[in-house]
Amino acid sequence: DAGVTQSPTHLIKTRGQQVTLRCSPKSGHDTVSWYQQALGQGPQFIFQYYEEEERQRGNFPDRFSGHQFPNYSSELNVNALLLGDSALYLCASSLVGDRTYYGYTFGSGTRLTVV
Amino acid sequence: AQRVTQPEKLLSVFKGAPVELKCNYSYSGSPELFWYVQYSRQRLQLLLRHISRESIKGFTADLNKGETSFHLKKPFAQEEDSAMYYCALTGWETSGSRLTFGEGTQLTVNP
Repeated sequence: DAGVTQSPTHLIKTRGQQVTLRCSPKSGHDTVSWYQQALGQGPQFIFQYYEEEERQRGNFPDRFSGHQFPNYSSELNVNALLLGDSALYLCASSLVGDRTYYGYTFGSGTRLTVV
Repeated sequence: AQRVTQPEKLLSVFKGAPVELKCNYSYSGSPELFWYVQYSRQRLQLLLRHISRESIKGFTADLNKGETSFHLKKPFAQEEDSAMYYCALTGWETSGSRLTFGEGTQLTVNP
C-alpha cells in the first residue's frame, strides 16, 4: 500500500496562472483533506471532501477549489495564483467517522512555487 | 476560535539531556490533542495523541486542561529525535475532524 500519493512533487507557476494538484488517498480511506504549509509555518486547513462534496472549509478565498472523484481521489485547484500561494500543499486521507485519528495519513506534498 | 501555540521555533539539546517541547492551546470545548513529527525528507506522521496516554519512542505528553497545555517530554534525548515537531488540535464540537496545527518546533539533538 503506497499510502497517500500526491502529484506532482514540485511545480513552478507564474503569477496569475491556474494550477491543479492531485491526491490519491490511502486504500480504504474515503475522506480527503487539503492543507497549505507556508515556509516556517504549520499546516493550515484548506478544505475537506467526503462523498464528492466539500464538507468543511478553512479561511481560504474562493480561488481555492477542489473536487473529489468517485474513486475518492481528489484535486485542489488554485486560480489567479499569487506569490503568497507559494507553499507545500499537503493531502491527508482518513475514514469518515473514525475518531481514533490513527486513520489520518499525510502525503509527501506538492511544493508549489509562484514566480 | 481554536489556536495552538508553540513558543519555541528552535530547540537545541545535547544527547542524553531531557527535552520538553511546549504547546499551549485555546479551544472552547473538549479538545483532542496530538503531536506530529516530520523527520528530514519524510512525510508528516502522528507521534502520539493525548487520549491514548501512550509513550512513543520514549516521548510522553500530558494534557493539562487547567493550563491548556500539552507539552511533549522525553527524559533522554537521542540524535535520531532531531526533527520538526508540530502540536495539533481538533474538536468535534466546532471543527469536525479538521486539525489546527502550531507553527512547529525544530528540535536538534547534538552529539
